[in-house]
Amino acid sequence: DVKVTQSSRYLVKRTGEKVFLECVQDMDHENMFWYRQDPGLGLRLIYFSYDVKMKEKGDIPEGYSVSREKKERFSLILESASTNQTSMYLCASSLSSDRGYEQYFGPGTRLTVT
Amino acid sequence: EDKVVQSPLSLVVHEGDTVTLNCSYEVTNFRSLLWYKQEKKAPTFLFMLTSSGIEKKSGRLSSILDKKELFSILNITATQTGDSAVYLCAVEPIQGAQKLVFGQGTRLTINP
Repeated sequence: DVKVTQSSRYLVKRTGEKVFLECVQDMDHENMFWYRQDPGLGLRLIYFSYDVKMKEKGDIPEGYSVSREKKERFSLILESASTNQTSMYLCASSLSSDRGYEQYFGPGTRLTVT
Repeated sequence: EDKVVQSPLSLVVHEGDTVTLNCSYEVTNFRSLLWYKQEKKAPTFLFMLTSSGIEKKSGRLSSILDKKELFSILNITATQTGDSAVYLCAVEPIQGAQKLVFGQGTRLTINP
């Protein structure tokens, strides 16, 4: 079974703090993704990576950065947390495929910025 | 801009009822449509549909895609309280390099 783990289930940070969210997958997947999920808005893609050291912006990258130094690990960084970044953050991974694919999700990190 | 819209946003039914969840999309160069179920934490994969008119089935759940009218439905028959969850629809555009575009989700509540 594919396993995607995230470093924290719940996190509370203060405005202006630097925040690191870690995601690790154990199935040698090429692609990794970071989403945020907010009520009424569904999942919105922040960043994704299709290889080590490669990254691409998603739909809402502002205020975030990412790092992928190893294939199994994808980190999301909030350089200076703000209250509007309070949200559920979901990490996902997938294989590269020409035929369509499914993404496997981690359990999520609920981040509160006060 | 690629867009996926789910309806209804929320649905409350009694155990044993049959429900139909809708997903419509406007996506350039569609490749596949996926359904996920999300309970308290990670979304879990249900179906992937790529061809129009072919029903995918898993137990009491089934789904079908209409590529001409740009929508999909997810049916759940003989609902149980364990079916209570948020159901997510996502579309993969060919040009999106394996990104998914998600709808807002439908929150389904099954009352005993």
